[in-house]
This record gives sequence, C-alpha cells and structure tokens, in this order.
Amino acid sequence: SAVISQKPSRDICQRGTSLTIQCQVDSQVTMMFWYRQQPGQSLTLIATANQGSEATYESGFVIDKFPISRPNLTFSTLTVSNMSPEDSSIYLCSVGQGGEPQHFGDGTRLSIL
Amino acid sequence: GESVGLHLPTLSVQEGDNSIINCAYSNSASDYFIWYKQESGKGPQFIIDIRSNMDKRQGQRVTVLLNKTVKHLSLQIAATQPGDSAVYFCAENKVNNDMRFGAGTRLTVKP
Repeated sequence: SAVISQKPSRDICQRGTSLTIQCQVDSQVTMMFWYRQQPGQSLTLIATANQGSEATYESGFVIDKFPISRPNLTFSTLTVSNMSPEDSSIYLCSVGQGGEPQHFGDGTRLSIL
Repeated sequence: GESVGLHLPTLSVQEGDNSIINCAYSNSASDYFIWYKQESGKGPQFIIDIRSNMDKRQGQRVTVLLNKTVKHLSLQIAATQPGDSAVYFCAENKVNNDMRFGAGTRLTVKP
C-alpha cells in the first residue's frame, strides 16, 4: 500500500492565523481525501481532492475555511484558515481508489490557543 | 439519516480471550465495509474488509462477519494480545468511494 507522509506532525497556533498541512504520497494516486478527527471522536470527511479539478467539500466545510490544493498526483495541501480553538483537531490525509480501502497518514495534531 | 454506528464505545478483555466489536449500518445500498485500527498518535490502519456479496471473511487472527438482513457488521479478534489495544472503527464505503466512519470502540486488553 501507499506510504503517506504528513507535515507537520503537530503544531500549536495562535487564533486568527492559518496553517497549511502537506500530504505527500510515494506513488501516483487519483483520489486523495482530507479528514478531521476531533478529540475522542471519529473521522469526518472534509473534502475529496482530485488532481486537475476543484476539491469537493462535504456539508459543513467550505473552501474559504479549508482551501485545498492538488498540484499533482502525489501531493496535496490543506489550509486551515483564520483558526479558532474549535479547529483544534487531528487532520488526516488518505488515498484510495473506489471500492478499495483508503490508507491514511499519521495525521497533523493541531492545537489553537 | 443514514449512519454507521457502533454498539459499544469501550470494550475490555483479558489477554488471550476473543474480542468481538460490533457495528450497525443503516444504508442497505452500501456494498463495501472496512475495519480500521487506530493506535494512539497514529492514523487509522486497515485491518480487513468485506464486500456485500459475502457474509464472512477471515484474516490473520481476525474475522469480519456481515449480516445484511439486520445491517450488522462485526470484527472478531482471536486470542487478543496487548498490542491489539486501540480504537477500532468500522467504515462504510459507498459506490462513489465516499467513506463514512462509525463512532469507534476503544479496546483495552488486560494482562
């Protein structure tokens, strides 16, 4: 399965600032996904990022707050904009094809003060 | 609305015993189900999957059972070991690869 690396692994940020999270895959993949996992909870899909097209956002998530880039088949970024304490979560990148299991990075642990 | 959920939030078992983690789903159109294990500080790790045309699938020390009649999914871990302590998530994969996760069950293995 693909090896997925996320940077940074954790960060502590001031409210009102923005942070860009990077996701690098060791092979070319069509579909990449970004999830949020709030403390002690399950994973919620933020958006699907396909190369060459705009990201598709789930209900409750908007591009202005979580802009996503997908410049090629091995890389994506998620920006958390104008952060507030409610954005403190683990942000996870995954890759997968339809009907196959998704594989995840180890996530970015974000705390906002 | 449609959801994927779990019956128990926590499960504590003795080392060497078998563990059973349950999951309920409500969308009869779902055709693919996955179990993930998430250890502290890590991302979810794929354990085993099953498609809707099957009712049982076995892996190494793990078995997944699918009961489509009652929309129920379970993960059985044989001879549970301390390294099995983690949070386990079931996930429902719909046709367009839109994956939905259940709430998670924390498994604790007592020595």
